[in-house]
Amino acid sequence: AQKVTQAQTEISVVEKEDVTLDCVYETRDTTYYLFWYKQPPSGELVFLIRRNSFDEQNEISGRYSWNFQKSTSSFNFTITASQVVDSAVYFCALSEANPTDSWGKLQFGAGTQVVVTP
Amino acid sequence: NAGVTQTPKFQVLKTGQSMTLQCAQDMNHEYMSWYRQDPGMGLRLIHYSVGAGITDQGEVPNGYNVSRSTTEDFPLRLLSAAPSQTSVYFCASSPTGVRGDTQYFGPGTRLTVL
Repeated sequence: AQKVTQAQTEISVVEKEDVTLDCVYETRDTTYYLFWYKQPPSGELVFLIRRNSFDEQNEISGRYSWNFQKSTSSFNFTITASQVVDSAVYFCALSEANPTDSWGKLQFGAGTQVVVTP
Repeated sequence: NAGVTQTPKFQVLKTGQSMTLQCAQDMNHEYMSWYRQDPGMGLRLIHYSVGAGITDQGEVPNGYNVSRSTTEDFPLRLLSAAPSQTSVYFCASSPTGVRGDTQYFGPGTRLTVL
């Protein structure tokens, strides 16, 4: 079963528009971690943020902000005033407890392609 | 620091050929892992290692072998390549590998099996 769902396959916006990427996760654990990674057209994976399940404070980093809501099992990501350089695939990932070990295996969503046009 | 490096960047194989994808990190990380990325499926874990001499299987291990003789290196071997192994392969590392540790990824290897 898919543990991390990114329902939006592709989002297209015009520069300076805001864009919100949805991430819904599924876990039975009380302690887990959520991540966002960016994959620009060059192909590498760039770490953006990590959030643990006990910290529901929203976070803002420049034009990026994250909204973590345990009640809805969501960890959404907003890019404010988008720029062409934001064009990339964005992945949400979950790291949860394993019954047999505590190693940090990441479970990724399918990714959301963001296309920002000038 | 170079971080996580992978070679080659691109590779084309014929069905049945074998090859090794190289991965190295210079951050003294204990945990290393291999993922494959396929369209519409995100990244899936192939194998991982929590230290030199210790490896284990991930979600999609069939057709791949790994070993970890040093902290720095974690090669991925394809024993007999199949078209289903056409994918982009990413190596990642993290300091300890415990749940919640941030994993840092290499630039990827794009593999095509004909």
